[in-house]
Amino acid sequence: GAVVSQHPSWVICKSGTSVKIECRSLDFQATTMFWYRQFPKQSLMLMATSNEGSKATYEQGVEKDKFLINHASLTLSTLTVTSAHPEDSSFYICSARVGGALFFGEGSRLTVL
Amino acid sequence: AQSVTQLGSHVSVSEGALVLLRCNYSSSVPPYLFWYVQYPNQGLQLLLKYTSAATLVKGINGFEAEFKKSETSFHLTKPSAHMSDAAEYFCAVSGSNDYKLSFGAGTTVTVRA
Repeated sequence: GAVVSQHPSWVICKSGTSVKIECRSLDFQATTMFWYRQFPKQSLMLMATSNEGSKATYEQGVEKDKFLINHASLTLSTLTVTSAHPEDSSFYICSARVGGALFFGEGSRLTVL
Repeated sequence: AQSVTQLGSHVSVSEGALVLLRCNYSSSVPPYLFWYVQYPNQGLQLLLKYTSAATLVKGINGFEAEFKKSETSFHLTKPSAHMSDAAEYFCAVSGSNDYKLSFGAGTTVTVRA
């Protein structure tokens, strides 16, 4: 099946720094990409919907200036956590849609010290 | 808006026994329904999905689910549990074709030898 790759898988950063997470569709062009956040032992919460060449649509309660999403091509979307703080520590998962199929990345675990 | 409720945060079964995971949905439009499995520190793998075709959906690894509109349910079953089925399972719903998934809280399955 189609592969969605996230990088990095793990990242540890100091409080106040910014971290970029990449989501790539390796063998297909995604019409839409989605970003989710998952706290330990909890479910996934949709953060935003990303379409190539346009601004991301953020879910209610998600700070767009905090979580910057760029979707520069049909195979790449990036999530930048700006001025990260310990409460931003989480597991971030992207998914990519092509037609009637949806594929998830393996996730990126962010730990902010 | 769409939402799902997974009944039971933890299910423990004996190897070889029936696995039954319950999911009820709420949707203002005809729903698309999904079951995903997640292993520790990994992304999500699609088990099966319902997209308004056959109400009994067969998925991977011997899992199947039945869409029951009258009961607003989409329960997941597997006749005989295997040790490798131990994981976290998520039910999710989206509007007909927007693929913006709302996830349930998840059910942890443990399999006893």
